[in-house]
Amino acid sequence: DVKVTQSSRYLVKRTGEKVFLECVQDMDHENMFWYRQDPGLGLRLIYFSYDVKMKEKGDIPEGYSVSREKKERFSLILESASTNQTSMYLCASRTGSSSGNTIYFGEGSWLTVV
Amino acid sequence: GENVEQHPSTLSVQEGDSAVIKCTYSDSASNYFPWYKQELGKRPQLIIDIRSNVGEKKDQRIAVTLNKTAKHFSLHITETQPEDSAVYFCAASKSYKLVFGAGTILRVKS
Repeated sequence: DVKVTQSSRYLVKRTGEKVFLECVQDMDHENMFWYRQDPGLGLRLIYFSYDVKMKEKGDIPEGYSVSREKKERFSLILESASTNQTSMYLCASRTGSSSGNTIYFGEGSWLTVV
Repeated sequence: GENVEQHPSTLSVQEGDSAVIKCTYSDSASNYFPWYKQELGKRPQLIIDIRSNVGEKKDQRIAVTLNKTAKHFSLHITETQPEDSAVYFCAASKSYKLVFGAGTILRVKS
């Protein structure tokens, strides 16, 4: 069974803080994703990584960066958190690069920026 | 880029009735269309998917239809049960990028 684990489920951070969201998958998947989920907007792609040290911007990369030093771990970084980054963040992974391969999600990280 | 629109945003049905959720997409090159179900406080999970070379796919009470010409696809749930209550997301993809609809909140009243 695929497991995508997000280490922090609930975080409260102050404006201007640097925030790290960690994600680990145990299925040796090449592709990993960070999505942001907001009511009425669905899931929007922030960043995508197709292999170790490789990354591509998604639809809403502004204010975020990512790191993928190891295949199993994909980190989302908020360099200077702002209140409009209060949201639910979902990590996901997938094997290979075929569009038809299933994407598996983590449980999500609820971030509140005050 | 791809744009996916999903309707309705909320749907209430009586237990045992059918539910239909519709999505349209903009990029005719999209070739993979999954549906995800997200229960309250849980992760989205794939419930069914369809590829562009297939017009319909069924899995027990759930079916998905695809009309490539019109660029729309639909999720059909028959004999709804209270445990079907959740948020449902459609998505479209042609490469690594999966573009999601805004979601439909389905409430099944018993």
